[in-house]
Amino acid sequence: QVQLVESGGGVVQPGGSLRLSCAASGFTFSSYGMHWVRQAPGKGLEWVAFIRYDGSNKYYQDSVKGRFTISRDNSKNTLYLQMNSLRAEDTAIYYCAKDRIALRWGEFFDYWGQGTLVTVSS
Amino acid sequence: EIVLTQSPATLSLSPGERATLSCRASQSVSSYLGWYQQKPGQAPRLLIYDASNRATGIPARFSGSGSGTDFTLTISSLEPEDFAVYYCQHRITWPQTFGQGTKVEIK
Repeated sequence: QVQLVESGGGVVQPGGSLRLSCAASGFTFSSYGMHWVRQAPGKGLEWVAFIRYDGSNKYYQDSVKGRFTISRDNSKNTLYLQMNSLRAEDTAIYYCAKDRIALRWGEFFDYWGQGTLVTVSS
Repeated sequence: EIVLTQSPATLSLSPGERATLSCRASQSVSSYLGWYQQKPGQAPRLLIYDASNRATGIPARFSGSGSGTDFTLTISSLEPEDFAVYYCQHRITWPQTFGQGTKVEIK
């Protein structure tokens, strides 16, 4: 069955960095676009970033452009989110999510991980 | 970016009642609109994609309709497990955005 398992969250000071990982299994990872979505405590969902199945195209929410980098290693079935220059407003649960259809992009998300909490605080 | 506005913010209903949730887009998203359900402490779950298609395993009591800028999620008869927060999302362009959510609570 499809599994997405995030890791790498934690507490970091403002201006610091973290790298999140999302280990995928149960599907052909290299055929699916992948996303990061976040949810601040008690708030709604915010799409953060997308990477095409082959890594050739990436898109970002304006608020994270230039600070966050999405990447993937298809040989390791793993998605990453490198987060630099972190701010208090980046505090959230970060979910990775999978595109519904293979070899497409900009699809809806049919599987989500359980999320990893990032807290930016001094 | 396209703004999705959901209404109402909270819907108070009893089990067995019909729920009607609205999502309005600031510009046309064609039929590229989806709905998710989120329960406390859980990741969201895809219910409806492309306005009216039920995702795999979603019960028939969930239905979606609309196109352009106005969309509706209908739950025909609420089951106890349906009390949750519901989000709409578009995929027509980047950035994809979500609505702010509608909480369906037990009356």
